Order: sequence, then structure tokens, then C-alpha cells
Amino acid sequence: EAQVTQNPRYLITVTGKKLTVTCSQNMNHEYMSWYRQDPGLGLRQIYYSMNVEVTDKGDVPEGYKVSRKEKRNFPLILESPSPNQTSLYFCASSLSPPPGLDGDEQFFGPGTRLTVL
Amino acid sequence: LAKTTQPISMDSYEGQEVNITCSHNNIATNDYITWYQQFPSQGPRFIIQGYKTKVTNEVASLFIPADRKSSTLSLPRVSLSDTAVYYCLVGVGGKLIFGQGTELSVKP
Repeated sequence: EAQVTQNPRYLITVTGKKLTVTCSQNMNHEYMSWYRQDPGLGLRQIYYSMNVEVTDKGDVPEGYKVSRKEKRNFPLILESPSPNQTSLYFCASSLSPPPGLDGDEQFFGPGTRLTVL
Repeated sequence: LAKTTQPISMDSYEGQEVNITCSHNNIATNDYITWYQQFPSQGPRFIIQGYKTKVTNEVASLFIPADRKSSTLSLPRVSLSDTAVYYCLVGVGGKLIFGQGTELSVKP
């Protein structure tokens, strides 16, 4: 089954304790992206990756890191989490970068709910 | 200055047509406009995409005027299962920008 998986689905942590949220897709997609979703703000892009070893900042990258060592995986790293990073996080992938001329639909993972105390 | 604007919420009844408009004054020239649907506790799901004029698929239509500064998602004959949040997605200044989402409530 074609899908995007994220782990963990729920995480409660404390300020300053490094954490990683994993994301994996089995569709051989080149484009992957991380979003955070907050009430009243909708979805905001954190980082994206056009392909292996190619990553770039989205709209709200501060406090986050990513890596793309393999095509299928795109982990999100919070080196020193703070309470303002409490949010619902989604990973997504698509065959080509949205929303360009060849625009492609993004497939989203189930989400990771992160609470930073 | 908001990059995209949608109504926060809308109410409808089963069987009615629902139109949700998204304003995106600064959309990039070559970018498509995409709409997603999101149910509680799930990730967004693709509905429809277009560049200009009108696009129709099995679930929705998308109307885009010539200036492309807005787009309207049209859901024909909604049912209770269409109760969800709907987001527009556009490219602005090299960034992907989602609208704030429109919470559609369909009543019997």
C-alpha cells in the first residue's frame, strides 16, 4: 500500500531534550516536506527536500533541522525543543515539487502530535 | 499582510452546492492552485488542482478567474461525509502557502 508513515504518532517531552520524528514514504517520490499545523494558522511549511541531499527552508524553519540521506526517509530534528514548538506535525511527499507547472498532489502522513513542556 | 485568505467556517445542508473561495493576491505566475480536504485526526488529502479557468473531477470543480488572484472550490450536492476542513495551497514568493482553512459543517 502506497503510504507516508510517521513515528512517533504522539510525543511528550521537556524543553531542551533533543528529539527526532521520522518520516518514510514507499512511493519513490522525489519531493518531501514537513509542515506544522496550529489552531487558527493552518498548515505552515517547515522544510522541504527536492531530492537526496537537497533540502531547503520553508516558511517557518527556525528551531528545526532535516536531512535527506535516502530517498524514502526525511527525518525532522528538534535539537533543543521549546514549548512554542508544541504542535501537530505532518510529513508529505509528492512525485514532483508542488505547485509548479507540472504540479503534483502531496500525500500526507497521519501526523505527529508533539507536546513540549 | 495575509498571503491567502479563506472564510473560517461555512454551514450547509445535505444536497446543497457549496462554494469556498480563497484569495491569493500574490500567487506566483507559473504555479498551480491546489485544494485539500482534512478530516479530524488525519492528514490532508488532495481534492483538485488547476491553473486557470475551470477544472472538474469526480468530486469537485475549481473555478479560477483570468487574474488568478482567487479560486473557488465548488462541492456539488454535499453530504454529511463532506464535513471537514478545506485548504487552498498556492506558491507565493517561492514558498508554499496554505490558506488558514475553511471548516465546512454539513447538516442533515
